[in-house]
Amino acid sequence: NAGVTQTPKFQVLKTGQSMTLQCAQDMNHNSMYWYRQDPGMGLRLIYYSASEGTTDKGEVPNGYNVSRLNKREFSLRLESAAPSQTSVYFCASTPQGLEDSPLHFGNGTRLTVT
Amino acid sequence: AQSVTQLGSHVSVSEGALVLLRCNYSSSVPPYLFWYVQYPNQGLQLLLKYTSAATLVKGINGFEAEFKKSETSFHLTKPSAHMSDAAEYFCAVSVSGGSNYKLTFGKGTLLTVNP
Repeated sequence: NAGVTQTPKFQVLKTGQSMTLQCAQDMNHNSMYWYRQDPGMGLRLIYYSASEGTTDKGEVPNGYNVSRLNKREFSLRLESAAPSQTSVYFCASTPQGLEDSPLHFGNGTRLTVT
Repeated sequence: AQSVTQLGSHVSVSEGALVLLRCNYSSSVPPYLFWYVQYPNQGLQLLLKYTSAATLVKGINGFEAEFKKSETSFHLTKPSAHMSDAAEYFCAVSVSGGSNYKLTFGKGTLLTVNP
């Protein structure tokens, strides 16, 4: 099973460039999430999608947009990248809510903005 | 609002020694609590979870955690550390009731195991 697949694994952008981080899961999960991980900060929720067709802001949504393309795919877009967005980005999914089911994580996208 | 505090950003133990990673939570309603582990260059994976069924929770790789409501704690322990336990560990909390889709993570504790 592939689980949660993120592409690309690495990316370097210049300030002001745009890009889309892709995420797909093959576990038929309803809920999907985007987190960013920075040293000493833990994981912070950017956006989440409780179910297909819905998206909601998390803790740090500024500078990002998301699209829940279908049940499998949840993309994260940076319209105008800034150095402060240098981070490791993780996509995760869970069957429904979080009470009984853990998050399943991808292996991350390492983004550097110069 | 829910929050979690991990005491100690870095813990170092000798192989065979007790592992104790501390986590305290804040929640106005009964919480669900989780420990995740992250190995280098990988995503997080679940070690164990507390969902009110039992206060002592056993997880994978010999880890366990005890929920103590009076102390608002959920500390992670392992009796004997192994070299393969070296990783970063995250405590996380979500609240019960209704449809819940948000998990709040602590800042992580890096565990080093010395031979």
